[in-house]
Formats: sequence, structure tokens, C-alpha cells
Amino acid sequence: KQEVTQIPAALSVPEGENLVLNCSFTDSAIYNLQWFRQDPGKGLTSLLLIQSSQREQTSGRLNASLDKSSGRSTLYIAASQPGDSATYLCAVKEYGNKLVFGAGTILRVKS
Amino acid sequence: EPEVTQTPSHQVTQMGQEVILRCVPISNHLYFYWYRQILGQKVEFLVSFYNNEISEKSEIFDDQFSVERPDGSNFTLKIRSTKLEDSAMYFCASSQDSALRNSPLHFGNGTRLTVT
Repeated sequence: KQEVTQIPAALSVPEGENLVLNCSFTDSAIYNLQWFRQDPGKGLTSLLLIQSSQREQTSGRLNASLDKSSGRSTLYIAASQPGDSATYLCAVKEYGNKLVFGAGTILRVKS
Repeated sequence: EPEVTQTPSHQVTQMGQEVILRCVPISNHLYFYWYRQILGQKVEFLVSFYNNEISEKSEIFDDQFSVERPDGSNFTLKIRSTKLEDSAMYFCASSQDSALRNSPLHFGNGTRLTVT
């Protein structure tokens, strides 16, 4: 059974810092990996999707990498801003249709 | 940008009552999903729906749950007889054609269901 783990559970950084969020998964038989952002009481906003054949994807200040064989992904956020404060969720899409989510990393960027 | 919309945003119901949660997926999407998130826990898959039938469901999705696409635009989740443990945030999601297995899921803002 696929298990997705995210480290750290929470992170507090001063504005302007570069930071890395980690995600690991136990079964490498995946189609893709998605990073989402969740604001309190809101839905999930898709940030980046990395296909299983890809190594990384970039969008603005965000860069996500995938090492499928070792079951790891990282989300790199450059020059963090207070508006980046949210919960960041990692999810893998298995052979089928469902996403399996991690518990998330709660990020707080202090101004 | 097109988005998935869910109504109501918050639903309070008494144990044993039936509830219907409603969703309008993005118009050109063909795959539809329900997920739920119990407070403080992970987001969990409930069911996926394609071509007017369930394509996959989790063990959570028992006989108390059903899904329907009644009119070509709405996608509903019905809980027949709610239990206290059904209290959660329910998210609807949609994605493009199943052939594009790498198309991202787009989520709605959720319906917070409170069972008293």
C-alpha cells in the first residue's frame, strides 16, 4: 500500500529565505507526482505536476524535482514571501485514478 | 481561469439524515472525483467517475455513498444515512480525458460537512 510522507511537518522562516520541502513515497510505480497548496478552509491549488519520466518542473519561484527510483520529491521555493504561507501537499498518482496524499507541510513565512 | 465549484460551502445535518453535496466540474473535463479530509488528517480518495460510471472507489466508499451526474453539468455525492464520523471537508475534483493520465486534478473549495 502506497504511503506518502512529508518532512518537515511545519516550517517557519523569515521572508526572503530559500526553502526546501520534502516528500517521500514507498511504491515507485506511479504515473506522476503533484504538489498542491492549501490555504486554511480552502481547496487545493495545483502548483506543479511532474510526470514519472521527468526529473523536474519549474513555475516561477517554484521548482519541483522527482527521483522516482528512490521515492523522493522536493519542492524548492526561492525568495519566500509572506503570501507563500500555506500548507503544501504532495500527492502521487498510482496506476489507476487515485491520488495518494501526504499529510502536508505547514509553511509560515514571517515578514 | 475555469474552476470547479462546490455547494454548499458548509452543511450541518443530524445523524441519520441524507445529504447531497454538489459540484460543477470544469466543462471540458471528463474525469470526476470525490476526496475527503477529516480535520487534522490526510486528504483521502473516495471515488472516481468516468463515462457515467464509477471507475474506482476506496474502501471508505461503502453502500452509504453514491455518486451521480444527473444532468451533464452537475456531479453529486450522496450520503444516505450520515454518521458522526462522516464529518469532514469533502472536495470535488475534475481532470481532462483519461487518456491524458498526466493531466492535473483541479479541486473545488470543498464542502464542510458537520454531522451532529
